[in-house]
Amino acid sequence: NAGVMQNPRHLVRRRGQEARLRCSPMKGHSHVYWYRQLPEEGLKFMVYLQKENIIDESGMPKERFSAEFPKEGPSILRIQQVVRGDSAAYFCASSPNLRTGDVQPQHFGDGTRLSIL
Amino acid sequence: AQTVTQSQPEMSVQEAETVTLSCTYDTSENNYYLFWYKQPPSRQMILVIRQEAYKQQNATENRFSVNFQKAAKSFSLKISDSQLGDTAMYFCAFSYNFNKFYFGSGTKLNVKP
Repeated sequence: NAGVMQNPRHLVRRRGQEARLRCSPMKGHSHVYWYRQLPEEGLKFMVYLQKENIIDESGMPKERFSAEFPKEGPSILRIQQVVRGDSAAYFCASSPNLRTGDVQPQHFGDGTRLSIL
Repeated sequence: AQTVTQSQPEMSVQEAETVTLSCTYDTSENNYYLFWYKQPPSRQMILVIRQEAYKQQNATENRFSVNFQKAAKSFSLKISDSQLGDTAMYFCAFSYNFNKFYFGSGTKLNVKP
């Protein structure tokens, strides 16, 4: 059973460009979470999505950032007009519907490292 | 608001010795879960151990154990018989509904041969 798949592993963009980060949850998981890890810091929650719905986006910056989890295909975290401060590792996690019995309620991908030139 | 604090940015330990990493948290919730994650240079997030707040017994997983003090809102991780492969960043995390995890800033552990 494949784990959470994130791609690309490393993404380089110039200031002003758009960045698209993809996350395919584990098979059977319908909940996706995005976190951002700035250098020398812990992970910070950004957004929680279920299929076609944003459940909690309290950690998303108000501008330039958006996320979706369509009925078919991976979840996408989109950053428009990137700036140097967007350089970070972005982690995706997924979980199944029934989570309380699962030892690891959120399964993490290996992250995408975004570098802004 | 939920916060997680790790006050030790970096620690070192000799191979085979024991080390304790500290974590404190703040919450008004009564039922919640606490976790320690390991992040090696590969950047994977690996679950080390988890503790349910309603359980008084401290969780253990092989060489890893926790000291959970609910009243003090403290959740430290003890690593016994440290191995070179334990070298990594360690993050303490809190969640009360599994929908959102709150992470501390991490402790960089260096195991010396």
